[in-house]
Amino acid sequence: GAVVSQHPSRVICKSGTSVKIECRSLDFQATTMFWYRQFPKQSLMLMATSNEGSKATYEQGVEKDKFLINHASLTLSTLTVTSAHPEDSSFYICSASDSGTTQETQYFGPGTRLLVL
Amino acid sequence: GENVEQHPSTLSVQEGDSAVIKCTYSDSASNYFPWYKQELGKGPQLIIDIRSNVGEKKDQRIAVTLNKTAKHFSLHITETQPEDSAVYFCAVTPGGYQKVTFGTGTKLQVIP
Repeated sequence: GAVVSQHPSRVICKSGTSVKIECRSLDFQATTMFWYRQFPKQSLMLMATSNEGSKATYEQGVEKDKFLINHASLTLSTLTVTSAHPEDSSFYICSASDSGTTQETQYFGPGTRLLVL
Repeated sequence: GENVEQHPSTLSVQEGDSAVIKCTYSDSASNYFPWYKQELGKGPQLIIDIRSNVGEKKDQRIAVTLNKTAKHFSLHITETQPEDSAVYFCAVTPGGYQKVTFGTGTKLQVIP
């Protein structure tokens, strides 16, 4: 099956620093990737849609200058949390759709746990 | 926008019994309905999906039913096992590369 990886799996950083999270589709190409945020015991909240070669589309209320998304290739999207603060601590999950087959199915990465001190 | 409601929020069943989770949605344009299982500290894993031209789909102990007229769909797990314990999310999308809207999740506990 389609595999999506994320790196790092967990990261601890100091307030004010920036953190980059990578999302890779390992065995398929993904024109579109999605970034989600999940708080404890809550559902997934879509942050933005990442499109290869073009600007990301952000959901209402998500600061594009705070959460920088780059989708430079068909297998890699990155999310950079800039000037992180404790309230940015969360579980970040990416997903990707296989451009070559069924378009609807989204495959999720294992998630990245971010803790900002 | 799309609104997805999921019930129940928690569900406890004895091992071997069946579990049913229900979701309703609002956008009649939605035509793809996946179900995901999420274990603690991990990303969601697709377990079954159904498209709007199908009323029911089964994969071993897992089945999904869809009533497009009533805008609701359900996940059925039979002969539950302790390893089925997890949080289950329903999801809805119009299809293509369009965004997916998730339900609020159901925490399933299977008691040995």
